[in-house]
Amino acid sequence: DAKTTQPNSMESNEEEPVHLPCNHSTISGTDYIHWYRQLPSQGPEYVIHGLTSNVNNRMASLAIAEDRKSSTLILHRATLRDAAVYYCILMPLRRGSTLGRLYFGRGTQLTVWP
Amino acid sequence: DTEVTQTPKHLVMGMTNKKSLKCEQHMGHRAMYWYKQKAKKPPELMFVYSYEKLSINESVPSRFSPECPNSSLLNLHLHALQPEDSALYLCASSHILVNSGANVLTFGAGSRLTVL
Repeated sequence: DAKTTQPNSMESNEEEPVHLPCNHSTISGTDYIHWYRQLPSQGPEYVIHGLTSNVNNRMASLAIAEDRKSSTLILHRATLRDAAVYYCILMPLRRGSTLGRLYFGRGTQLTVWP
Repeated sequence: DTEVTQTPKHLVMGMTNKKSLKCEQHMGHRAMYWYKQKAKKPPELMFVYSYEKLSINESVPSRFSPECPNSSLLNLHLHALQPEDSALYLCASSHILVNSGANVLTFGAGSRLTVL
């Protein structure tokens, strides 16, 4: 499966936008780009996913490069509650399999300062 | 109901004990997953059930025995564990989609296991 590369850590101030980058240079044409986050002492939480076009939801925006070799998760106004580990994961379309297996990398630890 | 509920939240067991972790969801999801997460590490996939049948076993030692008695419940039976098995055990569930790449998993808060 194709792998992703993320910075180990990032910092932001409260109420400022945060751009979390992810490189996936070996992505295949049928790989979806998923983002999950894990708050302290909790299980991972789905944030957003996309295939080719940019995506918006109530939590965040996902900007996907035209060549799909990188993507950026955008938190428009960071809050203290957004401090978490953010995982960028590729989920392939597998022939003969309808299961959503997620293989987590190390992710980016986001620190938000008041 | 949009939650995955895991019990117990904390479990301490000896190496000769037999215990079970439980997971429950009422979202109509027909795929359920067990993950293991060691401290400061990402979650690692252990097992996947699809329509109550074991579909994927990621080469997990036999001292971990999963069970899916019905579409809402998932158990993980533990026997003769080692101290290095101490970890956070996460359960997740999802729909089963024709396009597997678009599947979204809902995770529980986990059961923190300590093996003495």
